[in-house]
Amino acid sequence: DSGVTQTPKHLITATGQRVTLRCSPRSGDLSVYWYQQSLDQGLQFLIQYYNGEERAKGNILERFSAQQFPDLHSELNLSSLELGDSALYFCASSSRTDSLGYTFGSGTRLTVV
Amino acid sequence: AQTVTQSQPEMSVQEAETVTLSCTYDTSENNYYLFWYKQPPSRQMILVIRQEAYKQQNATENRFSVNFQKAAKSFSLKISDSQLGDTAMYFCASTESYRDDKIIFGKGTRLHILP
Repeated sequence: DSGVTQTPKHLITATGQRVTLRCSPRSGDLSVYWYQQSLDQGLQFLIQYYNGEERAKGNILERFSAQQFPDLHSELNLSSLELGDSALYFCASSSRTDSLGYTFGSGTRLTVV
Repeated sequence: AQTVTQSQPEMSVQEAETVTLSCTYDTSENNYYLFWYKQPPSRQMILVIRQEAYKQQNATENRFSVNFQKAAKSFSLKISDSQLGDTAMYFCASTESYRDDKIIFGKGTRLHILP
């Protein structure tokens, strides 16, 4: 157990629908990062939150949004889903005092049918 | 824009052999961090090794070591005495600077360790 918890582990939904992916960071970590990994591809950075504030944004679609709550858990909202959104979505967390790598969750496998 | 390039999409080696995975990156900063992550079939992302760019000494973690060539912006991973459990996707990654904790990943090298 890495200490980063992602739920659900698997999600199957239809095109056009909206889903919410949840991430609880490792205890004490203030930063949360979201990545998308499509089939046999590298990890694409989506967005970073630090202590509730958006800190960096990557190639995140307008149909996607995220937030970090006061208890530091984060949610990634994906709407108007398309087949191409099927991917593994990773959350990672880090402590601001430890810039030497993230701790990843086990990911949420999203399948859009 | 910050980029990380892994030129070997796939590699296979026999168990117990040594294998080197290549990586180049591009940043305009002088100080930054570099990483190798392993993703086994379970899909979990596991940090293998990390290097701080201001340190000239190459990082080592048991059978894993890196060859960090700062001027060439090269960061290769050497796996010695390879084991079946090393079979995985390996991602090279970097931050743009030491102030930036956003990590950018390469596309990965799929490594097969053959019995």
